Amino acid sequence: GNSVTQMEGPVTLSEEAFLTINCTYTATGYPSLFWYVQYPGEGLQLLLKATKADDKGSNKGFEATYRKETTSFHLEKGSVQVSDSAVYFCALKPGANSKLTFGKGITLSVRP
Amino acid sequence: GAGVSQSPSNKVTEKGKDVELRCDPISGHTALYWYRQSLGQGLEFLIYFQGNSAPDKSGLPSDRFSAERTGGSVSTLTIQRTQQEDSAVYLCASNFPGAGNTIYFGEGSWLTVV
Repeated sequence: GNSVTQMEGPVTLSEEAFLTINCTYTATGYPSLFWYVQYPGEGLQLLLKATKADDKGSNKGFEATYRKETTSFHLEKGSVQVSDSAVYFCALKPGANSKLTFGKGITLSVRP
Repeated sequence: GAGVSQSPSNKVTEKGKDVELRCDPISGHTALYWYRQSLGQGLEFLIYFQGNSAPDKSGLPSDRFSAERTGGSVSTLTIQRTQQEDSAVYLCASNFPGAGNTIYFGEGSWLTVV
């Protein structure tokens, strides 16, 4: 079946540090890949996405590249801010008429 | 424009009572999803509606859980004879169908069973 594996958390970084959050997936075919973010007290919102191999999604300084050869979609940001403190979820969608399958999520805390 | 709207935002109920949670998707979105978010459990898929097709109910945890979608728009998730382990945030989402189309989530309904 389809599954998403995220690195264990939580992660605590100092402001301006480099961030990598690992995500790997198992799926048949060519799923679309997503990163969702949940800020404290807020709902889940899309951060970025990629729909085919080698695509790079980017938003708010975050980037992730769809790597079919390693079945990965790692999230990176060059310089994190306190306002990036949130829970980050990696997800995949196998096809047009299918559900999103999420990883367990990881909590990021950025200290000043 | 309006996003996915859920009600109630918070519900406290006694064990054994039935509860109904409502979701109003974004206008025109034909796909609608319910997920559950529990502390330490991540996001658990419950059910998926797409147009007039039979819903994907594969994520419903027991026969106490059911959902319907009337007129292809509003959906109601019903939990019968609630148990304490049902306490969670119930999230609704919707989108236009398509592999890469963004799925938009509501703020969720926080259910506490006491």
